[in-house]
Amino acid sequence: QVQLQESGPGLVKPSETLSLTCTVSGGSVNNYYWTWIRQTPGKGLEWIGYVYYSGSTNYNPSLKSRLTISVDTSKGQFYLNLRSVTAADTAVYFCVRSAYTGSHYYMDVWGKGTTVIVSS
Amino acid sequence: SSELTQDPAVSVALGQTVTITCQGDSLRSHYATWYQQKPGQAPLLVMYRENSRPSGVPDRFTGSSSGNTASLTITGAQAEDEADYYCNSRVSNAHHFVFGPGTKVTVL
Repeated sequence: QVQLQESGPGLVKPSETLSLTCTVSGGSVNNYYWTWIRQTPGKGLEWIGYVYYSGSTNYNPSLKSRLTISVDTSKGQFYLNLRSVTAADTAVYFCVRSAYTGSHYYMDVWGKGTTVIVSS
Repeated sequence: SSELTQDPAVSVALGQTVTITCQGDSLRSHYATWYQQKPGQAPLLVMYRENSRPSGVPDRFTGSSSGNTASLTITGAQAEDEADYYCNSRVSNAHHFVFGPGTKVTVL
């Protein structure tokens, strides 16, 4: 079965770039949307955005100016880059497989999540 | 409005029925999707496209919607159903998505 694993630094300095990788195993990257979600105690779950296997993207407007999500189908990986981070970006970050049925979007396979702390 | 609202917490006696609701303007035109999250775990998809259950989700979970409200009902709640439940939907007249604040379900 498909499994997702997040990786990346657990500590990022303010004003720097948060970079995470999600590795997809047990299945293909093709034909799916690959989503990033984050969770903080104060704000709950927040939808960050997704990349389609073809490379097209859809971002949360509140993060769009700082955000890049990309995919490398040959490696079975997708990526999150969030620039100019502040303490408010401290969260557990999940990578997720998602899909549409008709116009309805759902997220059906989740990674375990990785904690990222923004601090000097 | 892009917001979804949920009751913060509900409780249910073991074996009884509980309904969790999610309200928002976007639900008039978009289905909600429901996720269950237990402490220390990633969320789990339990309902999509109003009343479709992924493989492995017990049939005691059902979904419905009416107007601006989506509902997730657990009929015959079990101890393992104790968790936080989040709804998620597309934002009206936009392309991005938003989660509700979550409902903590306690099984007594």
